[in-house]
Amino acid sequence: DQQVKQNSPSLSVQEGRISILNCDYTNSMFDYFLWYKKYPAEGPTFLISISSIKDKNEDGRFTVFLNKSAKHLSLHIVPSQPGDSAVYFCAASRRPGTALIFGKGTTLSVSS
Amino acid sequence: GAVVSQHPSRVICKSGTSVKIECRSLDFQATTMFWYRQFPKQSLMLMATSNEGSKATYEQGVEKDKFLINHASLTLSTLTVTSAHPEDSSFYICSARAGREHDNEQFFGPGTRLTVL
Repeated sequence: DQQVKQNSPSLSVQEGRISILNCDYTNSMFDYFLWYKKYPAEGPTFLISISSIKDKNEDGRFTVFLNKSAKHLSLHIVPSQPGDSAVYFCAASRRPGTALIFGKGTTLSVSS
Repeated sequence: GAVVSQHPSRVICKSGTSVKIECRSLDFQATTMFWYRQFPKQSLMLMATSNEGSKATYEQGVEKDKFLINHASLTLSTLTVTSAHPEDSSFYICSARAGREHDNEQFFGPGTRLTVL
């Protein structure tokens, strides 16, 4: 039973356009959500996080939106760059600093 | 700052042997370290949570006698895969949670690719 779901295994976007990556979760006890970027044979790199008391958090080109009632979050990357091409994982935890539950990831390809 | 290293990055071993993977926090003290593994095209799955000086807490379905975790210091945790079998072949990743100033973040190591023949 997957508690964090990323239903799109892949996404292709043109350089300069917006990339929107989606994530759904089932456990209402999750209180903290994160997005990680990962390259093959490397560990995940933290991108951005959001706690359940907020509905939006922005950091440069990256914005995460949280809809608690729908148990849905999304990562927006604007503008997308070829260097953004990687696997993006959505993760959730019950509180900051505790074990993370990951989705299966979405492979983003940004073409120039 | 906040760098986590893993050693080795890649290991190939024969079935039945044991393999030790080290996870080190290089520039901070990690009160808690987590061990994950990732099978191809799957998500990272939490195996266990390890706190310095105490026994690790294992997730359901993870055999603690097979995956031995030792968190002997604030900068080092080790995962030993005992009597490895081909089905243990996977990508093992550790993460470390820093102290108060980085309470909300886990920093991940680069991972260890284990192949059991």
